[in-house]
Amino acid sequence: GNSVTQMEGPVTLSEEAFLTINCTYTATGYPSLFWYVQYPGEGLQLLLKATKADDKGSNKGFEATYRKETTSFHLEKGSVQVSDSAVYFCRSGGSYIPTFGRGTSLIVHP
Amino acid sequence: DAGVTQSPTHLIKTRGQQVTLRCSPKSGHDTVSWYQQALGQGPQFIFQYYEEEERQRGNFPDRFSGHQFPNYSSELNVNALLLGDSALYLCASSFYSGTGGKNTGELFFGEGSRLTVL
Repeated sequence: GNSVTQMEGPVTLSEEAFLTINCTYTATGYPSLFWYVQYPGEGLQLLLKATKADDKGSNKGFEATYRKETTSFHLEKGSVQVSDSAVYFCRSGGSYIPTFGRGTSLIVHP
Repeated sequence: DAGVTQSPTHLIKTRGQQVTLRCSPKSGHDTVSWYQQALGQGPQFIFQYYEEEERQRGNFPDRFSGHQFPNYSSELNVNALLLGDSALYLCASSFYSGTGGKNTGELFFGEGSRLTVL
């Protein structure tokens, strides 16, 4: 079946550090890929998406590139802020059932 | 423009009881899906409703059932509650993509209903 694997957290960084959160997927065909962010006590918010191979999704300084060869969709940001502290979820559109990773907690210290 | 709204936000039940959770989709959306998010885990797909019918279902027992109304709002019902049903239940809405039911589209989530089973 379809699956999404994210790197274990928490990821702890200092403000202005570079961020990478790894995400790989298994799926039939070429699903759309998404990153969501969840702040404490809130639902998930779409951060960015990519619908086909080599597409780059970007939003609020975050980027992720759909890599068909490595079945990956790693999330990156060049300079994190304290306000980026949250849990990040990678999602595969999948064939019919959306599949989420377990989430990666990001903690950014001033 | 109201986003996805869920009610109640928190509730406490005891084992064996039944619970009903409600969701109103974002304006213009016609599809509602439900997810269970246990503490420290990602959302697990329960089922999806479109045109008042259950279209897709994840790996959840029949104790989990749902309904969609003509105004596209939806309910999630869980019978015979177990301790393990304690979780955040998320509703997401979307616009049917028309691609054979594939969930390739963007999902808009509500803030969830936190269920505690004692």
